[in-house]
Order: sequence, then C-alpha cells, then structure tokens
Amino acid sequence: GDSVTQMEGPVTLSEEAFLTINCTYTATGYPSLFWYVQYPGEGLQLLLKATKADDKGSNKGFEATYRKETTSFHLEKGSVQVSDSAVYFCALSATSGGYQKVTFGIGTKLQVIP
Amino acid sequence: NAGVTQTPKFQVLKTGQSMTLQCAQDMNHEYMSWYRQDPGMGLRLIHYSVGAGITDQGEVPNGYNVSRSTTEDFPLRLLSAAPSQTSVYFCASSYQRERGSHEQYFGPGTRLTVT
Repeated sequence: GDSVTQMEGPVTLSEEAFLTINCTYTATGYPSLFWYVQYPGEGLQLLLKATKADDKGSNKGFEATYRKETTSFHLEKGSVQVSDSAVYFCALSATSGGYQKVTFGIGTKLQVIP
Repeated sequence: NAGVTQTPKFQVLKTGQSMTLQCAQDMNHEYMSWYRQDPGMGLRLIHYSVGAGITDQGEVPNGYNVSRSTTEDFPLRLLSAAPSQTSVYFCASSYQRERGSHEQYFGPGTRLTVT
C-alpha cells in the first residue's frame, strides 16, 4: 500500500537557520503531494501542495519540489522564525478503488529557539 | 464560512460509556473523514465517507461507528469507550479539485480521555 516516511524529530533550530524536513513516499500511479502544518492546540492546515512531477509548491517562505525520480517531497525554508514552531506532516493523495485516499506521515516536530 | 466544526473540544469518559463526537462542514464537500492522532503514530484514519449514505472503514475502525445522512454532518460514535481510545480526534473534509488534488480541511479537534 501507499506510505509516507518522514523523521519524527524534534528538529531544533535557531532563528534564521535553514530548514529541511525530508519526506519520501511509496505509491502506485501518480499521487498528489502535500505538506500540512499543525500549530499547538490546533487542527492541521494545508501549507503547500504539488500535483505532478517537477511541480514546486510554495507558501509563507516554505518550498517543496515533487521529485518522481527519487520519490521525495522535501520541505525547505531559508530562514525559520520562532513562529514556525509546529508539527509538519507530509501526505499523499492517490486513487484507490475509484476513491481518493490520503496517507499521512507521522509528523515532524520543529522547535525554533530565539 | 465556518469551515469544519467539531464538538465538544474536550471530553472525559468512564470506561464503558458511549458518546458521539459531532462534525459538520459548510463547504459542500463530498468527502469527510475521521482521524485519531496519537504520539509517535501520526494520523490514523478511522472511517471515511465519499458522500451522503456512503461510508467505509479506515485503518483503525474497531470500536467506532459512523453514519452520513447529510452532506454536512458526519458524527463519530464510540460504542463502549476504552482507555485505548484516549486520543485527539480530528474530522476533515475535502473535495476533488483538478486531477488528484484532494487537499483536506481539518476541524480543531476533540481531546478525549477515557478513564
């Protein structure tokens, strides 16, 4: 079945550091890929997405590129802020039995210290 | 638009009690899902629905029931609560926009403790 692999963390960075959170996936066909963010005490919200190979999703300074050859969708940000502290989930969406099925990674906790 | 709403925000149950977690969305989304979130486990799908009257089991359906009588509402019923059901529960809804784009909209969650 489909799967998404990401490290659990926590990842601790100083403010203004460069961020990379790795995400790799296994899926048949051509899934769409997503990054969701969960701030403390809240539900998940979409951060960015890419629907086909070589697409780059971007939002709020975060970027991720859909790499079909390496089945990866790594999240990057050039300069993190304390307000970026949250849990980040990589996810894929693929058709299964005629329906769209979404698979999430376990989430990576990011802590940014001043 | 209120988006996806969930009630209650917090709940404490005793073992064996039953209850219903409410979920509603006002975006006319076809798809609705229930997840539970546990430390180190990420999000696990409990049940989902692809439209009114159609539901199916997810990864961890045991101990839970769902129904979907309207597009807007998708309640989750705990039949006989167990301590293993202590978790944070999220409801999500989605529609299909362009090929394969199935972004989900999440509610704020219900934190359930079973003693």
